Parts: sequence; C-alpha cells; structure tokens
Amino acid sequence: GENVEQHPSTLSVQEGDSAVIKCTYSDSASNYFPWYKQELGKRPQLIIDIRSNVGEKKDQRIAVTLNKTAKHFSLHITETQPEDSAVYFCAARFPGGGADGLTFGKGTHLIIQP
Amino acid sequence: DAGITQSPRYKITETGRQVTLMCHQTWSHSYMFWYRQDLGHGLRLIYYSAAADITDKGEVPDGYVVSRSKTENFPLTLESATRSQTSVYFCAICRADSTDTQYFGPGTRLTVL
Repeated sequence: GENVEQHPSTLSVQEGDSAVIKCTYSDSASNYFPWYKQELGKRPQLIIDIRSNVGEKKDQRIAVTLNKTAKHFSLHITETQPEDSAVYFCAARFPGGGADGLTFGKGTHLIIQP
Repeated sequence: DAGITQSPRYKITETGRQVTLMCHQTWSHSYMFWYRQDLGHGLRLIYYSAAADITDKGEVPDGYVVSRSKTENFPLTLESATRSQTSVYFCAICRADSTDTQYFGPGTRLTVL
C-alpha cells in the first residue's frame, strides 16, 4: 500500500517568516495530495489540495508544490501569523479499486513564535 | 461543517464491552470513512463505504465492525473493546462527484479502561 513520510515533526518559525513542510510518497500511481490543518481538539480541516496533473497551486499565503518524478510534495506558508499554529497533515490517495481512503503523514506541529 | 455529525463526542467504557460510534451525514454523500487518530501514528483508515451496503477494510480494521444500511449513517462497532482502541475516531465523507476531497466530522474521543 501507500506510504507517506512527513518532515519535520515539529517546526518553529518567527511570526512573519515562511514555513515549509515536506512529504514523500511511495506509490507513483497516487494522484491526489491534500493538506489538512488541525487545531488542538478540533477536526482536520482541508486547507489546500493538488492533483497529479498540476505542479503548483496557490491560495493566498498558502501554496503546495508537487514533484511527481521525485514523489514529493510540499506545503509553503508565507508571512506566518499566530493563527497558523497547528498540526498540519499531508496525505496521498492511491487510486486503487474503489473509494479507498487517504494515507496520511504523521503530522507536523507548526509553532509560530511571536 | 459539511453536514456531518458524530455521536457520542466522548465515551468511556471498559475492556470487553461493546461500543458503537455513530456517524451521520445530511448531504447524501456516497462515500464515508472511519479513521482513528493516535499520537505518533497520525490518522489511519479503519473502514470505508462507497454506498449503502458496500463496505471495505482499510489499514487497521481488526477489532472493528461496520455496517451501512442507510446512506446517511455509518456506525462503527467495537465488539469487545480493548485498551489499544483508546483513540480519537473521525468519520469523513466525500461527494460522489469528487471522490478525492474528504471532510471530517468533529470526532469521538473514546477511552477504554
């Protein structure tokens, strides 16, 4: 099955700086890569996603890049703000038979230092 | 949030007891999923369902049973709860026209003593 590795497990940045979280996946057939943000005690919320036919996608301060050859994708947050502090999960979906679920990375705890 | 609810939100039970967690959605979405979230493991798929009466195993199905007699409900049953099943359980749904984007319910925190 699919395996997703996520790094780093903890990331501390100064407010206003950029943050980058990286994920690698094992199955080259994976075609969908979402990122979720989870605040303490809350549900994971989708913040951005990318499909394998696209190399980059942006939404205001958030961007995701995908390198299919290297099988890795990254989340970029610019001009970080205190409300960006949360745990971020990357995921990948392998298009096996049926609507099987996502395979998640183990998460990155992003800490924004004031 | 995406018309998905879970009940109960918190549950404490004892080893060996049967527990059922409910997931209910109001959007008539086809696909529903159950995940468990544990420190150090992230989110792991337990079971999923493509439609009523169609279910399949995910990564960690042992010790769990699901059913889906109605499109809007997807209960998860722990037939004989064990301490290792202490976790936060999330249900997720996605629309039939977009089987990629998944929306999560608020979660159920289960403690097995």
